Amino acid sequence: AQRVTQPEKLLSVFKGAPVELKCNYSYSGSPELFWYVQYSRQRLQLLLRHISRESIKGFTADLNKGETSFHLKKPFAQEEDSAMYYCALSYGGSQGNLIFGKGTKLSVKP
Amino acid sequence: KAGVTQTPRYLIKTRGQQVTLSCSPISGHRSVSWYQQTPGQGLQFLFEYFSETQRNKGNFPGRFSGRQFSNSRSEMNVSTLELGDSALYLCASSLNPLAASSYNEQFFGPGTRLTVL
Repeated sequence: AQRVTQPEKLLSVFKGAPVELKCNYSYSGSPELFWYVQYSRQRLQLLLRHISRESIKGFTADLNKGETSFHLKKPFAQEEDSAMYYCALSYGGSQGNLIFGKGTKLSVKP
Repeated sequence: KAGVTQTPRYLIKTRGQQVTLSCSPISGHRSVSWYQQTPGQGLQFLFEYFSETQRNKGNFPGRFSGRQFSNSRSEMNVSTLELGDSALYLCASSLNPLAASSYNEQFFGPGTRLTVL
């Protein structure tokens, strides 16, 4: 069965420090991986997707099929990065049936 | 464009009752997906509709059902409510999740908070 695991419920770093939010997945085929973010009192929104290989708000994520991981990284955390981050997987050619991890709450301290 | 809207925003029901939640997608979007969010289980996929047809269904009992109308608006229904159905129900819309382009972003609504007493 498809599964997404985010091992850390809470990650706390200081402003300017590097941050890495871990995500591992299990799926035998070729999944599409995403990172979604939810800022306080805002809606869940897409941060980035593996297929676009882009950097959004300084965040990047590389799909490692060998390790079945899709970790989210940022070299210098900012206070405004504080939010809930969800890793998600879609399969079967549709992006409408996302399998989410349980999320990691990132807290960036001043 | 207006975002995804969900009504009602809050709902209180008692065990055994049924409930209907509504989702209006972004204008032009043809796909609507539903998710249940609870503190224990996180975000779980319920079902996906595209052009009035259910494309995918998650691992939920038959008490959970949904439908999509010709204007792409969607409703989900939960019958014989149980305490464990208390959750935030989110819907998301997209243009066409099957489109050749993989750049088919899901836009989420604010959710309906259902409390079952």
